[in-house]
Amino acid sequence: GQQVMQIPQYQHVQEGEDFTTYCNSSTTLSNIQWYKQRPGGHPVFLIQLVKSGEVKKQKRLTFQFGEAKKNSSLHITATQTTDVGTYFCAGLFISNFGNEKLTFGTGTRLTIIP
Amino acid sequence: NAGVTQTPKFQVLKTGQSMTLQCAQDMNHNSMYWYRQDPGMGLRLIYYSASEGTTDKGEVPNGYNVSRLNKREFSLRLESAAPSQTSVYFCASSEMGARNYGYTFGSGTRLTVV
Repeated sequence: GQQVMQIPQYQHVQEGEDFTTYCNSSTTLSNIQWYKQRPGGHPVFLIQLVKSGEVKKQKRLTFQFGEAKKNSSLHITATQTTDVGTYFCAGLFISNFGNEKLTFGTGTRLTIIP
Repeated sequence: NAGVTQTPKFQVLKTGQSMTLQCAQDMNHNSMYWYRQDPGMGLRLIYYSASEGTTDKGEVPNGYNVSRLNKREFSLRLESAAPSQTSVYFCASSEMGARNYGYTFGSGTRLTVV
C-alpha cells in the first residue's frame, strides 16, 4: 500500500534556529498537505501543495513540493516557542478508478529550547 | 461556528464494554472521517464517509462500526472494547474529500480500555 515516510521523528532546536522536516513517498502524489498539532491538541490544516515544484510561504514557514511530486519539505526560519508541536505531512493518492486516499506521515515532533 | 464537535472528550472502558463516539460538523461538509492516533504511528484512517448515505473502510476498520446518521453526524461504535483500542480518536470533515481542501479535525476523544 501507499506509504508516506517522514523524518526526523523528533527535533530539538534552540529558539531562533531553523527547523526542517521531510516527507517522502514511493509513488507519485496528487497533492500534499501539511498539518500542525500542538501538544494535547488536534491536527490543524496549514497548507496544500498541488503543482510539481511548488513553493508556498506562510510568514516564517516555507513549504516545497518536489518536481516528481514524491517528496515535500517544511522549513521554519528562526523558530519561536509558538512553533512547538508535531508537524504532519499527508499525501493524497488517487487510484486509476478515481478513489482517493489521504495518507498521513508519522510526524515530526518539534521542541524548542528557550 | 463550532466546526467539528466530538463527544465525549475522555472515556475509560472495561474490556468487552461497548460505546459510541459522537461527531458532528456544522460546516455543511460532505465528507467525514474517523482516525485513531497512537504514539509513533501518526494518524490511521478507521472509516470514512464520502457523502451522506455512504461509508467505507479505511486502513484499520476491525473492531469498529460507523453510522452516517445525516450530513452533519458521523458516529463510531466499539461493540466490544479491547485494550488495543486504547487510543486518541479524531473525527474530521472536508467539503469534497482531500483533492482541493484540507481536513478540519475535532478536538479528539481520549479512550482508555482497561
